[in-house]
Parts: sequence; C-alpha cells; structure tokens
Amino acid sequence: ETGVTQSPTHLIKTRGQQVTLRCSSQSGHNTVSWYQQALGQGPQFIFQYYREEENGRGNFPPRFSGLQFPNYSSELNVNALELDDSALYLCASSSRREIYGYTFGSGTRLTVV
Amino acid sequence: QQQVKQSPQSLIVQKGGISIINCAYENTAFDYFPWYQQFPGKGPALLIAIRPDVSEKKEGRFTISFNKSAKQFSLHIMDSQPGDSATYFCAASIRNTDKLIFGTGTRLQVFP
Repeated sequence: ETGVTQSPTHLIKTRGQQVTLRCSSQSGHNTVSWYQQALGQGPQFIFQYYREEENGRGNFPPRFSGLQFPNYSSELNVNALELDDSALYLCASSSRREIYGYTFGSGTRLTVV
Repeated sequence: QQQVKQSPQSLIVQKGGISIINCAYENTAFDYFPWYQQFPGKGPALLIAIRPDVSEKKEGRFTISFNKSAKQFSLHIMDSQPGDSATYFCAASIRNTDKLIFGTGTRLQVFP
C-alpha cells in the first residue's frame, strides 16, 4: 500500500506566475483535500475534491483552483502568484467510508520571489 | 468561532517527563478532535483522536483529555522521549464535513 505522494518537493516561482502542484492519493482513497501551511502556522484548508468535483472550499480566492482525475489523483493550480503564497502545500487523501482517516503527503514547498 | 486556540507555542521537557499541550475551541458543531505530529520536512501524521462523547482516550504513551463543558482538550505525552521532539497540532472537524481546522502548533523538544 503506497502513501500520498506529492510533486515537486520544492519549487521557486516569480510573483505573477502560475504554478501546478500534483498529488497521488493513497490506494483505496477517493477524496483529496489540499491545505496551505505557512511557516510556523497550522495547515489551512483550501478545498476538497470527491468524484472529480469540488466538495467544500476554505477562505481562498478563486485563483486557487484544482482538479481531481478518475484515478483520484489531483492537481492544485495557483494563478497570479503573490509573495504571501509562499508556503508548504499539503495534500491529504481519505476514503468517504472513513472520512476522518486523513493521510497527508510530505508537501510541496513553494517559494514566490 | 472557527478557530482552535493552542498553547503553549513551544515546550521543552526532559526525557521521562510529561508533555502537556492544550487546545480550546468555541464552535459546538465540532465533533471530532484529532492530534497530529509533524516532523521537519514531513506532512502531519495522525497521532490520536477523540469524539466529544468520551472524556479521555489513551493510546500507549499518548492520552487525550476532553472537557466538553469547558470546550477544551489536551494531549498528554507520558515518559517523553527525544524521538517525540516534533511539532504537534490539535485540530477539529465540523460535523458532517471532513474539513479540519488546525491549531497553530506546539514545538516540543525533549532533551536526554
């Protein structure tokens, strides 16, 4: 059984650019959630995908968008990057049958300069 | 009302001692309270969790104490070990969702 894998592990982008982060969910998990963790802070919920549709969203602007694919993998897209978008982006997968059984990936460290 | 307040921000404990981290919440719609452990460069990993219908849950050296009337819950780590040195987050989930609201974290350092 594989865990949650995220790519890339580190990324440096320039303000105004766009970025795509990728996540492969754990085997048997059909729900993917994305969180943003700023340095020294707790993770903040961005949104969740279930059956390829957005199923709940946190307090993030529309320039944060996502996709879920038929194999349950997911992408997080951020347009018009701002310096404050610099953070660790965490993907977590879970099963609808055990909705509290989150498994987090190790994250993608995004630095916006 | 959606916040979970966590204290202390950092904690230094000697090996064999008890580590205690506290969290408080306001939203009575929260119905699931997990604790996560995060090592540098890694994602959070579920440590232990509790629902509000019980006042205590113990798993090995880790115990959650839950006080529903005070809207507080805490993590106790007995016989703390250097390998427990990590950042700990409390969290809460709103009923009928699986969105987690995290506390701000406690950095625990256990010295030999």
